[in-house]
Amino acid sequence: EVQLVESGGGLVQPGGSLRLSCAASGITVSSDYMSWVRQAPGKGLEWVSVMYSGGTTFYADSVKGRFTIFRDNSKNTLYLQMNRLRTEDTAVYYCARDPAAGGYWGQGTLVTVSS
Amino acid sequence: QSVLTQPPSVSGAPGQRVTISCTGSSSNIGAGYDVHWYQQLPGTAPKLLIYGNNNRPSGVPDRFSGSKSGTSASLAITGLQTEDEADYYCQSYDSSLSGYVFGTGTKVTVL
Repeated sequence: EVQLVESGGGLVQPGGSLRLSCAASGITVSSDYMSWVRQAPGKGLEWVSVMYSGGTTFYADSVKGRFTIFRDNSKNTLYLQMNRLRTEDTAVYYCARDPAAGGYWGQGTLVTVSS
Repeated sequence: QSVLTQPPSVSGAPGQRVTISCTGSSSNIGAGYDVHWYQQLPGTAPKLLIYGNNNRPSGVPDRFSGSKSGTSASLAITGLQTEDEADYYCQSYDSSLSGYVFGTGTKVTVL
């Protein structure tokens, strides 16, 4: 059974940092592309970042320069390092696998940026 | 601000057929990039419904089907059921943004 389990969310002040984790089982995070997607309260889905199997990464303009996606193959875990957080980054963050490779999503982790 | 436009809502009676459009441009759907569709039930994570324009993952009923033409794509639900009430999102790749984009989302209501 495939499972993606996000963790690391919480309450942080504007300007602060958080690191999200996405622990995978049943799949290998390095074998296909993996994305982070977020959903602000009551809003639609917004793509945040992607890491391809070869290690290439891309980011949405809204997070470029502040967020970093990376993975630890030995832990089979994907990460999202979020720095200089803003109130508009408040959202549930999901990790997701390439739709052509099963399209699995985690249950999400809530990040709240507020003073 | 999404580059893929969907109708905010569609509705139908049980058993009817409804369609959801996803309108893009020459840098995403029109450039030949695949379109995927997700269903999001209230309070849950999105679930892949259609991948690669018209392919259903194992376990997705054949009441759901996808198509693509030009700069648009569509999701059709036939034999509408009460459990189909959810939000639906399309997704594609956009070459001008060098990233993936989601549609604005459509709420399906079963009357």
